[in-house]
Amino acid sequence: EPEVTQTPSHQVTQMGQEVILRCVPISNHLYFYWYRQILGQKVEFLVSFYNNEISEKSEIFDDQFSVERPDGSNFTLKIRSTKLEDSAMYFCASSGQILYNEQFFGPGTRLTVL
Amino acid sequence: DQQVKQNSPSLSVQEGRISILNCDYTNSMFDYFLWYKKYPAEGPTFLISISSIKDKNEDGRFTVFLNKSAKHLSLHIVPSQPGDSAVYFCASPHNAGGTSYGKLTFGQGTILTVHP
Repeated sequence: EPEVTQTPSHQVTQMGQEVILRCVPISNHLYFYWYRQILGQKVEFLVSFYNNEISEKSEIFDDQFSVERPDGSNFTLKIRSTKLEDSAMYFCASSGQILYNEQFFGPGTRLTVL
Repeated sequence: DQQVKQNSPSLSVQEGRISILNCDYTNSMFDYFLWYKKYPAEGPTFLISISSIKDKNEDGRFTVFLNKSAKHLSLHIVPSQPGDSAVYFCASPHNAGGTSYGKLTFGQGTILTVHP
């Protein structure tokens, strides 16, 4: 069964450092998403991506964040200068349609900013 | 600004009994809802969805009911099994204005514990 994969599973970084979180969406999906979950809080939308551009982003997704699909399989989230409050689980998701269709989530990357 | 709300943080049920998880939403323009299950250290896993043209959708042990007049949906699990113990989220692909761009807005989640 196809699945979304994410690497690394856990990333520890120092405040102010850049991190890149990687995702491989399901191969025939066209819509890609990043979400995050801070410990004890609900899952929050960060950004959606379609046709090589951002289709929507949340208030959380400021200038420190960027996304890229550098090739036909990977989808990355970059945080340029991490802050303590960026510590969270980051989930990548993909779907075959934008509406009325489930999104499939990866296992997540736990980001710890020290 | 909670557009999708799960007011019960936890639910404890005996194995074999019914589990009922509830979710409320604020915007009557929301027309599609999903339930996800999440185990610790894993990503959310899709369970079942419902469109507003229906008031019920069933898949095996899982049934979702939608009450549009009350802006309420519920997930029924019958019979409950210990392996169902997880966090359950309801979600809708709409923002507060009712326009959908595919992003999911999640409820806070309900921790279900099924005791053997």
